[in-house]
Amino acid sequence: DVKVTQSSRYLVKRTGEKVFLECVQDMDHENMFWYRQDPGLGLRLIYFSYDVKMKEKGDIPEGYSVSREKKERFSLILESASTNQTSMYLCASLLGTEAFFGQGTRLTVV
Amino acid sequence: GEDVEQSLFLSVREGDSSVINCTYTDSSSTYLYWYKQEPGAGLQLLTYIFSNMDMKQDQRLTVLLNKKDKHLSLRIADTQTGDSAIYFCAENARSDGQNFVFGPGTRLSVLP
Repeated sequence: DVKVTQSSRYLVKRTGEKVFLECVQDMDHENMFWYRQDPGLGLRLIYFSYDVKMKEKGDIPEGYSVSREKKERFSLILESASTNQTSMYLCASLLGTEAFFGQGTRLTVV
Repeated sequence: GEDVEQSLFLSVREGDSSVINCTYTDSSSTYLYWYKQEPGAGLQLLTYIFSNMDMKQDQRLTVLLNKKDKHLSLRIADTQTGDSAIYFCAENARSDGQNFVFGPGTRLSVLP
């Protein structure tokens, strides 16, 4: 079975902190994605990566950056966390046309 | 740009059928998906349909696609309490998979 693992289920951070959300997949997938999920808005794409060191902005990249130094790991970085970044963050990797999701990280910025 | 719409809530009684509807705007969508999210969990792929199909059945799940109206539905027969979850419709217009667009999700509540 494909496994996509996000490093934390729950995080609480202070405004202005730098936050790292880590995602690891074990199936050598090239494409990886970061989404945020908010009630009534569904999933919105923040960034995606189609290869090591390659990244593309999604629909809402402002306030975020990403890092893909190794194929299996895709990191989402909040350079200076703000309260409007309180959300559920979901990582996914892609095999063919099927996306596999991690369990999500619920981030609260206080 | 692409847009996917769903109603936000649906309540049904245990044993009844549930029908969750979705409309999308991108006529070039190649694949359409239904994902299920249980409380506290990530998204799990339930089923998907190619755009050249009208219907797909998989045990209790039936997916109907009306390409002309850009309407997708998911029917769950004999709905159980374990089916309570949020159901996301998604479209993918690119063969390289780099353009998933998700709907807002429909929260299905199954009443005893």
